[in-house]
Amino acid sequence: AQSVAQPEDQVNVAEGNPLTVKCTYSVSGNPYLFWYVQYPNRGLQFLLKYITGDNLVKGSYGFEAEFNKSQTSFHLKKPSALVSDSALYFCAVRDGSGATNKLIFGTGTLLAVQP
Amino acid sequence: DTAVSQTPKYLVTQMGNDKSIKCEQNLGHDTMYWYKQDSKKFLKIMFSYNNKELIINETVPNRFSPKSPDKAHLNLHINSLELGDSAVYFCASSQDWGGGSIYTFGSGTRLTVV
Repeated sequence: AQSVAQPEDQVNVAEGNPLTVKCTYSVSGNPYLFWYVQYPNRGLQFLLKYITGDNLVKGSYGFEAEFNKSQTSFHLKKPSALVSDSALYFCAVRDGSGATNKLIFGTGTLLAVQP
Repeated sequence: DTAVSQTPKYLVTQMGNDKSIKCEQNLGHDTMYWYKQDSKKFLKIMFSYNNKELIINETVPNRFSPKSPDKAHLNLHINSLELGDSAVYFCASSQDWGGGSIYTFGSGTRLTVV
């Protein structure tokens, strides 16, 4: 069965510092990996995805994520955090083998950027 | 133009009532979904339709019944509402149900059962 874990409920970072939000996954086939962001009282918005190819994926708002197959990780990063980045971030995985077409979300990580 | 719109945005109702949540997308997508987000922000898929056909039906009580009159609409009807049904329900759509499809979410319906 596919699953995704976000080990940190909350990440605190000062504005201007680099940020990392962690994600690890488990699938039986090749993983399709996604990051979504949720601002208060809003729906989720797509940030970036990894399907195949370059392990470093660039997305919206200056975010990027690195796919690491050996560590089964897909951590979200940004070189310099902004206060406006404060939101709830979800990692999600889909099994690329086609065994299931469900997109499974992690439990979310609240990013708090202090001015 | 709102890509995925849900109505109502807020719904407060008594236990035992029947209610519906409507969802419409104007993106021309083939696939639509219902997700439930609980008080701990955990997101769980409930249903998925592709071109009006049910393709995912998770283990949800049969009090929940989705209906897709056409591929632009996916409504959720809930019978005999219970306190535990209180949550935020999100509708989403994607171009197709391929593995790399990007989901577009609505802004959610906050259901409170009292």
